[in-house]
Amino acid sequence: SQELEQSPQSLIVQEGKNLTINCTSSKTLYGLYWYKQKYGEGLIFLMMLQKGGEEKSHEKITAKLDEKKQQSSLHITASQPSHAGIYLCGADFSGGYQKVTFGIGTKLQVIP
Amino acid sequence: KAGVTQTPRYLIKTRGQQVTLSCSPISGHRSVSWYQQTPGQGLQFLFEYFSETQRNKGNFPGRFSGRQFSNSRSEMNVSTLELGDSALYLCASSLAGLFNEKLFFGSGTQLSVL
Repeated sequence: SQELEQSPQSLIVQEGKNLTINCTSSKTLYGLYWYKQKYGEGLIFLMMLQKGGEEKSHEKITAKLDEKKQQSSLHITASQPSHAGIYLCGADFSGGYQKVTFGIGTKLQVIP
Repeated sequence: KAGVTQTPRYLIKTRGQQVTLSCSPISGHRSVSWYQQTPGQGLQFLFEYFSETQRNKGNFPGRFSGRQFSNSRSEMNVSTLELGDSALYLCASSLAGLFNEKLFFGSGTQLSVL
């Protein structure tokens, strides 16, 4: 089974609607990355959460880390077609040299 | 500052051949990691290099190898290609490759094995 489970796996929303993507870990989380990917391209760094309870925002995207629940959520407010893509959460369980484990991704489509 | 650069962007090979992919990290970054992305398995860690040394390795067969040069540029090699090696190969760089450090990705090399 996946160490990082993302839900939902795909999402279709009307432009202007809010949405939430969740990432749940089967292991203790010490930090979590969120990336966005356009199909067949590289990953664009969105934000990184390093402490329990931490919340970060960038433009209309907000991410929170709940260490007790071993979960992170990514919330998009007033979605736009430019938000479409694949959202991936990643976590480093190594505790040492970087080795990031990623979730399978959430595919987001925004309908104008 | 230029981002992570990967070449080539696309590659088509046949089974049994070998392939070499190249990655130039962001200037000043000394750690380079490689990942394989497939529709079924998602993104999987291959290996990480720092100062020309492999420090971490994922669960891939020995056909997958890499190296890093003194200028931090890295190459990844896959020998005796199999159909299942068809994937997007992504390279990422960070300052020192330490736990919970910001990781920047290139656009990837799309490898198709026929």
